[in-house]
Amino acid sequence: SQTIHQWPATLVQPVGSPLSLECTVEGTSNPNLYWYRQAAGRGLQLLFYSVGIGQISSEVPQNLSASRPQDRQFILSSKKLLLSDSGFYLCAWSVGVGYSQPQHFGDGTRLSIL
Amino acid sequence: AQKITQTQPGMFVQEKEAVTLDCTYDTSDPSYGLFWYKQPSSGEMIFLIYQGSYDQQNATEGRYSLNFQKARKSANLVISASQLGDSAMYFCAMREVRRGSQGNLIFGKGTKLSVKP
Repeated sequence: SQTIHQWPATLVQPVGSPLSLECTVEGTSNPNLYWYRQAAGRGLQLLFYSVGIGQISSEVPQNLSASRPQDRQFILSSKKLLLSDSGFYLCAWSVGVGYSQPQHFGDGTRLSIL
Repeated sequence: AQKITQTQPGMFVQEKEAVTLDCTYDTSDPSYGLFWYKQPSSGEMIFLIYQGSYDQQNATEGRYSLNFQKARKSANLVISASQLGDSAMYFCAMREVRRGSQGNLIFGKGTKLSVKP
């Protein structure tokens, strides 16, 4: 069966520090991968998605970047964190782009910027 | 304009009773999928149920059912026999297949369900 791992679970970082969040998927090949951010008490905002190695699409301009160095690995990064980067970050995967395919989420990372 | 609208920020239900969480959507695409997710306080997003735009029958998964009214563009989630563990945020989401969209999910703002003992 497919599983998704996301780490760390919580992270406290000072403003201006770098960021690296990692997500890996097991049990499937060539998944679509997604990074979302959820502000407190809000819905999910899609940040990046990837349909293959090295292919990254950004949904909103921001201080963050994403990379997909391997088929089942998706990394969210920042060179210098801002206070506004605080939030709950979720990684997700799906099979294909058909409208019937659900996205399956990791457990998320709570990021606090001080 | 919002693609997914959940008009109930919060809902209360008595344990063992049924509850309906509302969701309306907006799309001009004839092919789309509708999803409901549950997010407990721990944060993970749990996929509950799916309804396709061409499905003739309402989707059901255990205690979850989806009341799909295509003409009204609504996809309400019905939870029967509520349990204390059902207390969580519930998100309605839609997946379209449009040029350039890659079938990304669009989420509503969620409804917080609280089950009373």
